[in-house]
Amino acid sequence: AQSVAQPEDQVNVAEGNPLTVKCTYSVSGNPYLFWYVQYPNRGLQFLLKYITGDNLVKGSYGFEAEFNKSQTSFHLKKPSALVSDSALYFCAVRDMASGGSYIPTFGRGTSLIVHP
Amino acid sequence: DTAVSQTPKYLVTQMGNDKSIKCEQNLGHDTMYWYKQDSKKFLKIMFSYNNKELIINETVPNRFSPKSPDKAHLNLHINSLELGDSAVYFCASSQDPGELFFGEGSRLTVL
Repeated sequence: AQSVAQPEDQVNVAEGNPLTVKCTYSVSGNPYLFWYVQYPNRGLQFLLKYITGDNLVKGSYGFEAEFNKSQTSFHLKKPSALVSDSALYFCAVRDMASGGSYIPTFGRGTSLIVHP
Repeated sequence: DTAVSQTPKYLVTQMGNDKSIKCEQNLGHDTMYWYKQDSKKFLKIMFSYNNKELIINETVPNRFSPKSPDKAHLNLHINSLELGDSAVYFCASSQDPGELFFGEGSRLTVL
């Protein structure tokens, strides 16, 4: 069975500082990993994904994430946070070994608060 | 053009009523989903359809019945609504195994 853990309910960072939102996963095969962002009263929006290739993937709005197979992690990062980055962030995983089922599993979400 | 659209956006109803939420995607994707987001923002998969066929049916009361008339539509019908059904319901679509595209959500309040 696949699972995703986001160990922090909330991350606080000052505007202009780097930010990290943590995600670890568990799958039986090779993972497909995703990050999504949800603004208040909106649907989730795709930010970036890791399928294969370079461990560092770049996505929308200046976000990037690093795939670390040995630590089974896929942390979301941004070099300089903006107040407008404040939102709820979800990590998700798809297990390509799960008998052809591609149903993604989502973490519980991390609320990012960027202070002016 | 909205990629994944769901209606209504808000739904307020009494316990025991029956209601439906409609979803349409114009992305040409093969797979559609219904997710439930509770008050703690946790996302739980309810159903998944691939080319009009049900492929995932998680532990959901049988009062919830999805219907997919074609691969661009996945509707959710809920019978005998209960207080605990109050949540935001999200429709999504994808072209496997890529990312999901979500609708804006339908907030259901059961009184």
